[in-house]
Amino acid sequence: EILMTQSPATLSVSPGERATLSCRASQSVSSNLAWYQQKPGQAPRLLIYGASTRATGIPARFSGSGSGTEFTLTISSLQSEDFAVYYCQQYNNWPPFTFGPGTKVDIK
Amino acid sequence: EVQLVESGGGLVQPGGSLRLSCAASGFTFSSYSMNWVRQAPGKGLEWVSYISSSSNTIYYADSVEGRFTISRDNAENSLYLQMNSLRAEDTAVYYCARGIAGSTGFWGQGTLVTVSS
Repeated sequence: EILMTQSPATLSVSPGERATLSCRASQSVSSNLAWYQQKPGQAPRLLIYGASTRATGIPARFSGSGSGTEFTLTISSLQSEDFAVYYCQQYNNWPPFTFGPGTKVDIK
Repeated sequence: EVQLVESGGGLVQPGGSLRLSCAASGFTFSSYSMNWVRQAPGKGLEWVSYISSSSNTIYYADSVEGRFTISRDNAENSLYLQMNSLRAEDTAVYYCARGIAGSTGFWGQGTLVTVSS
């Protein structure tokens, strides 16, 4: 089973600033990595798939990069609606599909 | 508009059973694999089960293998999860999720299952 880790656990950012979130896999997942955003009381929403491709309707301020075991989600200029928990998920070696523990982005 | 609507959650005693349903609309349900993913209160996401578009391939997480059964009815555009021998640690919001292996990922709003005496 591939273990996913994320850092930091919490990221405090001011509106308008850049946020950089990290995700690491215990072994290579190639580019088979997705990022999800989850707001309180809501379902996760797909942001990025294939490590760097934005899902339909996702604003350009969200970008993903990386391959193998190291991945990054960057939010270029945080908007109020971006404060949420972000999860990475690998779909290279499954079952099982595995998720990282999440990074909470909150207001500084 | 793509929609996934879960139902069937509730309070059940340890050792009991529950059947979750997920009604799909707005897309060709029979063309997509489907999954159940759960989230314990205040915790992260845990994949539970996968079923291929034609039900030919099914997988379970080790934590539910032998207790949960996934199924689907493509004629009714519905996904199901039969949960038996429920434990306190099965308490979670259960999400129905379309295709979590790539570009087609979409999740329902979830249904809460509470296992408690």
